[in-house]
Amino acid sequence: GQQVMQIPQYQHVQEGEDFTTYCNSSTTLSNIQWYKQRPGGHPVFLIQLVKSGEVKKQKRLTFQFGEAKKNSSLHITATQTTDVGTYFCAANPAGGTSYGKLTFGQGTILTVHP
Amino acid sequence: GAGVSQSPSNKVTEKGKDVELRCDPISGHTALYWYRQSLGQGLEFLIYFQGNSAPDKSGLPSDRFSAERTGGSVSTLTIQRTQQEDSAVYLCASSLGVQGNEQYFGPGTRLTVT
Repeated sequence: GQQVMQIPQYQHVQEGEDFTTYCNSSTTLSNIQWYKQRPGGHPVFLIQLVKSGEVKKQKRLTFQFGEAKKNSSLHITATQTTDVGTYFCAANPAGGTSYGKLTFGQGTILTVHP
Repeated sequence: GAGVSQSPSNKVTEKGKDVELRCDPISGHTALYWYRQSLGQGLEFLIYFQGNSAPDKSGLPSDRFSAERTGGSVSTLTIQRTQQEDSAVYLCASSLGVQGNEQYFGPGTRLTVT
């Protein structure tokens, strides 16, 4: 079945440092989504990547989709304390029959020290 | 407009009792999803609905779990004969359609089985 590995599990950074989380799938993906969950909150959609090699930016956040559509990354430049939370990737398999079944990675918990 | 709502926000129940969790999706969203999140863990897919039908029930942990959706709107997740391992936050999400659409999450129901 669909497996999505996300690393690292935890990341502690000083405010101003960069942060990257990686997501790898065992199978080719139709698309991949990224969500952020603040402590005590619920996941909030950040972005969706669809095309091979796609790169999207949201202010200090850069999202990439691999050429083979099996991996993705989220990079945050110059972290701020407001970036604290858990970042999840969520994968939609290609050619699947269960289109609605997003498989979430385990998440990367980001803490930022001021 | 209103987001996804869930009730109750917290539920404490004794082992062996049945519980019903309710999800009210965003108006007009045809797809509805249920996930389970244990403390500090990722999201575990349970079931999704497209309209009133559930094409994929493979994530339900056991036959003690069931879900229904009526009128293409409200959904209930029922857990019979609750066990301590059922303790978790149950998250509901909705989206405009099933394929490749961002999911909007509700605040969740925290279930504690004593």
